[in-house]
Amino acid sequence: DGGITQSPKYLFRKEGQNVTLSCEQNLNHDAMYWYRQDPGQGLRLIYYSQIVNDFQKGDIAEGYSVSREKKESFPLTVTSAQKNPTAFYLCASSLIGGGTEAFFGQGTRLTVV
Amino acid sequence: SQQGEEDPQALSIQEGENATMNCSYKTSINNLQWYRQNSGRGLVHLILIRSNEREKHSGRLRVTLDTSKKSSSLLITASRAADTASYFCACRSQGGSEKLVFGKGMKLTVNP
Repeated sequence: DGGITQSPKYLFRKEGQNVTLSCEQNLNHDAMYWYRQDPGQGLRLIYYSQIVNDFQKGDIAEGYSVSREKKESFPLTVTSAQKNPTAFYLCASSLIGGGTEAFFGQGTRLTVV
Repeated sequence: SQQGEEDPQALSIQEGENATMNCSYKTSINNLQWYRQNSGRGLVHLILIRSNEREKHSGRLRVTLDTSKKSSSLLITASRAADTASYFCACRSQGGSEKLVFGKGMKLTVNP
């Protein structure tokens, strides 16, 4: 089945640690996105990528890093520089060209303990 | 900054009634999209309207776009309890960027 998969579903991190969230898609999409969602809030764009080996900062990139070494994969690292990392993280992908929908993973809930 | 802003932020209606949500945005867009999110899940695409379109239908959904007012509305007719969810508008700006920016969302509750 084609789709976009995020793992793990739940993640716990100690303060001061880096943690990496996985996002994989087999839809042959060029564009991939990472969003952060806080309780009762909308989605805020962290990073997005339009092509392999290239990515752009979104509105809240500070404290996060990404890589796009393969078309299928767009991992997000939450670094210790992110002061308030507890949130729901959503990954999405889409075809490029602008006139297409985005497909979302089921999200990763990160909690700092 | 968030491109789209939904209004109202929360709406509670009875089954069978229609629900209307509005979205305002700031810059020129290539297209505007509406998504639905059930609690704790990923978003699901509902409908896309291009900047040169004024109205679009899909089942019980009707979307309008007014580029002069930089606004869109989503109408859900004959609502069902299963329509209870959060609804988001999202914009792709003109200029070739694939950046997709979401609004804060609107919580719809349909009471049986």
